[in-house]
Amino acid sequence: EDQVTQSPEALRLQEGESSSLNCSYTVSGLRGLFWYRQDPGKGPEFLFTLYSAGEEKEKERLKATLTKKESFLHITAPKPEDSATYLCAVRAATSYGKLTFGQGTILTVHP
Amino acid sequence: SQTIHQWPATLVQPVGSPLSLECTVEGTSNPNLYWYRQAAGRGLQLLFYSVGIGQISSEVPQNLSASRPQDRQFILSSKKLLLSDSGFYLCAWEGRGAGETQYFGPGTRLLVL
Repeated sequence: EDQVTQSPEALRLQEGESSSLNCSYTVSGLRGLFWYRQDPGKGPEFLFTLYSAGEEKEKERLKATLTKKESFLHITAPKPEDSATYLCAVRAATSYGKLTFGQGTILTVHP
Repeated sequence: SQTIHQWPATLVQPVGSPLSLECTVEGTSNPNLYWYRQAAGRGLQLLFYSVGIGQISSEVPQNLSASRPQDRQFILSSKKLLLSDSGFYLCAWEGRGAGETQYFGPGTRLLVL
């Protein structure tokens, strides 16, 4: 059974204080690892897709990396508007399209 | 560009009442469509998926059903709601050959009392 574990459950940062979120996964053949951002009461917003170990993608203050067992979402010099829940999901090679999600990390950035 | 709509945005229903949530996608053809439920504002659970009109697969046995009467329309239904059906319902679409990324709608908050 595919599993995704995200840590920490919650993270509080000061504005400008860089940090990383972790997503550990077990899957029978990785077809893709996805990062989403979710604001309260809204649907998840797509951030990145990673397909193979060693791959990295960046968008503004966010950088996602992937190994064979985990992915990291690095946040550089965060701002209060980066506060949100960050969700990680995996898609197995044998999957028709099912995404298995982690429970998310709630990020709060204080000014 | 593609847009996904869900309605209603919020719904309060009594136990035992019927349910119909609608999802429509614009700007794409023949998408794969998905219904997810999110409890307590955290991880998402896949409920149903569809690869075409009239083609529905259920991921989790439950009190809900889904239908796809048109190419870009996906409906989530129930004949009799349970308290445990409360949650945040999200529809997602995935284009053919679009890198297999799923894009989510704004969601419907359902409260069963």
